[in-house]
Amino acid sequence: SQQGEEDPQALSIQEGENATMNCSYKTSINNLQWYRQNSGRGLVHLILIRSNEREKHSGRLRVTLDTSKKSSSLLITASRAADTASYFCATDTGAAGNKLTFGGGTRVLVKP
Amino acid sequence: NAGVMQNPRHLVRRRGQEARLRCSPMKGHSHVYWYRQLPEEGLKFMVYLQKENIIDESGMPKERFSAEFPKEGPSILRIQQVVRGDSAAYFCASSPPTGTRSPLHFGNGTRLTVT
Repeated sequence: SQQGEEDPQALSIQEGENATMNCSYKTSINNLQWYRQNSGRGLVHLILIRSNEREKHSGRLRVTLDTSKKSSSLLITASRAADTASYFCATDTGAAGNKLTFGGGTRVLVKP
Repeated sequence: NAGVMQNPRHLVRRRGQEARLRCSPMKGHSHVYWYRQLPEEGLKFMVYLQKENIIDESGMPKERFSAEFPKEGPSILRIQQVVRGDSAAYFCASSPPTGTRSPLHFGNGTRLTVT
């Protein structure tokens, strides 16, 4: 079964608008992380939220976590063209090391 | 402070050849993870290694694929007798040897094309 499913799969917005994407997962987690991937590049870590946290902010990013619903959301406020990328949630179940399980991603296009 | 370095960036192999992908972790990191990404999909875990040890290879195909992380030198992901289905982007990530859970640092990947 897939751990970490993002919704929507794709999102197109105008610069200045907010972008919201959601992630659902199936098993218990230690933490949940969000990453960004620009086309042709590796993933860049954005934010980590622990299982005992409900909300976290970093600049224009806001992440929420609802462990009872096994879901998380990432909000990007006042989006910019440079925010165009794919966004992935990843779950850390506490297995050996920092092994992560990734979802399929949300492709965000911010139009100038 | 160089990040995770992967080479080559692009690799073209004919069916039946061998592919060797290299990954040098960030300085001070002793944990290495390999992931595979098909077009328009997320990353799928393959293997997690520490120096000279394979810790978790649950995502690695049983045949043709192998990984190592020697005491000296980069981690190597080796694919023998490649087939078209092996065409993908292969990403390496590293993390420090701490007890706390920490994010992964990714390289820019190796794009393998099998013709």
